[in-house]
Amino acid sequence: AQKVTQAQTEISVVEKEDVTLDCVYETRDTTYYLFWYKQPPSGELVFLIRRNSFDEQNEISGRYSWNFQKSTSSFNFTITASQVVDSAVYFCALSEYSGAGSYQLTFGKGTKLSVIP
Amino acid sequence: NAGVMQNPRHLVRRRGQEARLRCSPMKGHSHVYWYRQLPEEGLKFMVYLQKENIIDESGMPKERFSAEFPKEGPSILRIQQVVRGDSAAYFCASSPGNSGSRETQYFGPGTRLLVL
Repeated sequence: AQKVTQAQTEISVVEKEDVTLDCVYETRDTTYYLFWYKQPPSGELVFLIRRNSFDEQNEISGRYSWNFQKSTSSFNFTITASQVVDSAVYFCALSEYSGAGSYQLTFGKGTKLSVIP
Repeated sequence: NAGVMQNPRHLVRRRGQEARLRCSPMKGHSHVYWYRQLPEEGLKFMVYLQKENIIDESGMPKERFSAEFPKEGPSILRIQQVVRGDSAAYFCASSPGNSGSRETQYFGPGTRLLVL
């Protein structure tokens, strides 16, 4: 069975600090996809990024960057120069074939990030 | 609004009543997924549907829960005879369905169900 672990339950940082959210996953598949979603206090789930298991290039999008390392089964997410609006719960998720006809997402339990002004 | 729509956003039911949760996928999307977010448990997959077909219901409780995605209209998640343990946020997601099964799932705002 697949598993996603986000060891950090809650993180608090002061505005403008950098912060890294960790994600470690387990899968037996050689082909899989990884995702990050953001859940702000308003409650909706916002898609941030998708990576496939064949692409280990790091990605940067504005203040966000992602470090995918297959060797350590990790897909970490860094926010540079954090802002109060970054305060949210961040979920890492793994897409793997369920065996019952779908590629359902398995989510980690989330990391609650609080950015203090 | 081109995003995934869910209604109602908040739903209060008494034990034993029925709850109907609706989801309209993004325009052009034909695949729908339902997830449940229970306190302390995180987000869990429930069911995956395409138009008029349930493809994977491996995460759905065997009793009282059902889902449909008719040819016309929104997808419906139905919970009969609700119990307090059904209180949770229910999220719907959709994907295009035209580029393989590993597409990105885009989520709606969720329906918060409270059972009194």
